[in-house]
Order: sequence, then C-alpha cells, then structure tokens
Amino acid sequence: DTAVSQTPKYLVTQMGNDKSIKCEQNLGHDTMYWYKQDSKKFLKIMFSYNNKELIINETVPNRFSPKSPDKAHLNLHINSLELGDSAVYFCASSQGGGEETQYFGPGTRLLVL
Amino acid sequence: DQQVKQNSPSLSVQEGRISILNCDYTNSMFDYFLWYKKYPAEGPTFLISISSIKDKNEDGRFTVFLNKSAKHLSLHIVPSQPGDSAVYFCAAPRGYSGGGADGLTFGKGTHLIIQP
Repeated sequence: DTAVSQTPKYLVTQMGNDKSIKCEQNLGHDTMYWYKQDSKKFLKIMFSYNNKELIINETVPNRFSPKSPDKAHLNLHINSLELGDSAVYFCASSQGGGEETQYFGPGTRLLVL
Repeated sequence: DQQVKQNSPSLSVQEGRISILNCDYTNSMFDYFLWYKKYPAEGPTFLISISSIKDKNEDGRFTVFLNKSAKHLSLHIVPSQPGDSAVYFCAAPRGYSGGGADGLTFGKGTHLIIQP
C-alpha cells in the first residue's frame, strides 16, 4: 500500500518532446512537492503546493508546469525537453502547517537523448 | 549557496561498530533537522529528526545529536548492520514561506558502507 507513488519510474525520450510525470499520495496530506536530483546527486526543491495552490516555484524554467487537480495529486509536465533535464524527479508530501517531515515517492528517472 | 553540508561523501564501517555521520549548517535560523536514508533506485525515507530545543533524539539504534553553537549535527547508528548501507541525507526546512510548505534543503549525502 504505497504512500507516495509516481509514474512512470523510467522515462527515456528525445530532446524537444513533451512529457508528464504523475504523483499521487494516499496519506491525506495537504502539501505536495517536486524535487530534482541532478547528476551531482543534489536534491533540490522545484515546486510546492498546499491544497492545490502553488506556494513555491524555485526559479524553475517555464517549460516545467506543475498541476494539482486535487490535494492528493501533483503532476509535472515538461515541455520541449532539453538534455539538461535528465535527472531523477521525486515527488513528496507532508502534512504542512509546520509539520516538516516529508514522505517521498520512488522517483522518476528521466533521460533525455 | 549550500546551507547544509555533509563533507564526507562516503564512510566505511565494520558491522557491529558505531557509524557516525556528520552534518554542518550555516543558517542559524534553522530550527528543525531531519535525516533521510536512501537506497539505490528508491526515494529518500525519513529516519529521525530533531528540534532545536533539544540536543539529542533517540530512536532505537539511531541517535541524532545537535550542537547549536557549532551549527553541527551528527547521526549515530549503533550497532551498524548490513542493511544500514545506504546514502544518508541531512536536511532542514527552508522555512521562509511561512505556510509550512517550504520544502527541505538537503546536504549532498554520505554513502555509508557497512562491511561484514
């Protein structure tokens, strides 16, 4: 019974394509996040949403557009993929309101060729 | 600007001995710290946390120590077991949006290898 799930787990695509990654959490949390782990293994926040409202957009290019249809889902759409977008993308959730423990999904490994 | 630093990329410890993983931070406004454990091809898993009002928090084999004056925390694992082999990340909430949705800032991680 997975708490935070992501699909797909692996994504290989050509430069210039558009792709989406889906995330769902069944923890009843109010807040969801997207993180990127680059080739140097740094985990950096990209976006956070609280109750479907965008809270943080950490200077991410406009090609990345998160969408939260409800508070259990946060999807990430990426337009015009570039080589530098190759990374592992992690979705996470937390209760919010000062509860900072975040629970992570298994990650989506994106490779742009 | 890296506000949470883990200066040891890797650490090798014999099974049954104590593992000590270190983390330094630069932002004195940080008041809560978390340790995450990550296996290859999996997401980070929450391990243990500590609030700045404490200097120690213990959970089974895992203990985190916080030295606020030195801006330093450490994770002790004793005794170390083979299943502890993983990458360990130190993290702190960024805390500037005020709404509890700030995200975490992470160190680069330390790869712990437990040798039999």
